[in-house]
Amino acid sequence: DVQLVQSGAEVKKPGESLKISCKASGYDFSSFWIGWVRQKPGKGLEWMGITYPGDSDTKYNPSFQGQVAISADKSVTTAYLQWSDLKATDTAIYFCARRNNLKFDRWGQGTQVTVSS
Amino acid sequence: SYTLTQPPSVSVAPGKTARITCGGKNFDTNTVHWYQQKSGQAPVLVVYDDSDRPAGIPERFSGSSSGNTATLSIRRVEAGDEADYFCQVWGLSSDQVVFGGGTKLTVL
Repeated sequence: DVQLVQSGAEVKKPGESLKISCKASGYDFSSFWIGWVRQKPGKGLEWMGITYPGDSDTKYNPSFQGQVAISADKSVTTAYLQWSDLKATDTAIYFCARRNNLKFDRWGQGTQVTVSS
Repeated sequence: SYTLTQPPSVSVAPGKTARITCGGKNFDTNTVHWYQQKSGQAPVLVVYDDSDRPAGIPERFSGSSSGNTATLSIRRVEAGDEADYFCQVWGLSSDQVVFGGGTKLTVL
């Protein structure tokens, strides 16, 4: 059974760094792209970027390029989303999702990130 | 930049058919996917490649696409269908993902 299990909720201060994770199981992790999607409170879905664990190729939405880093570690079948300088505007729920052809067919449960002084 | 336009809300009585539209460009070359997101939950894929259903999704859910409009139809709507629905395309020329703004389906 394909599963994506995300790390738990985080509360951080502006300027801090953070790395959240998405643990995959039940399929060949190296052969599917994994993407990250942001959802601000009461708002829609925003695609942030995507990585291919097989060769670490990564693509970003231009709106998020330079603001976050997306990566994956095949050895532990886990994808990551990382910030080095959090802002209050980063407060949101972040979902990882597996890309299968051109659709996202499995989603993680989401990680709430709250950035507040 | 490429955008997908959805109505903010659609209301329908139980047992009737709900239709949610997604406006864009070049749907003849870009397939459309639809996600259901219930309150407090992760999105779930309900229709992919314009009109296919993943395993486990009821036949009441169907999709179509023509020209610049894609449509998600939900027949015999139930209270449990109340959710936000998002359309999505993968811009093949730009290799970028685009989501529609979402439509809140209210079952009266």
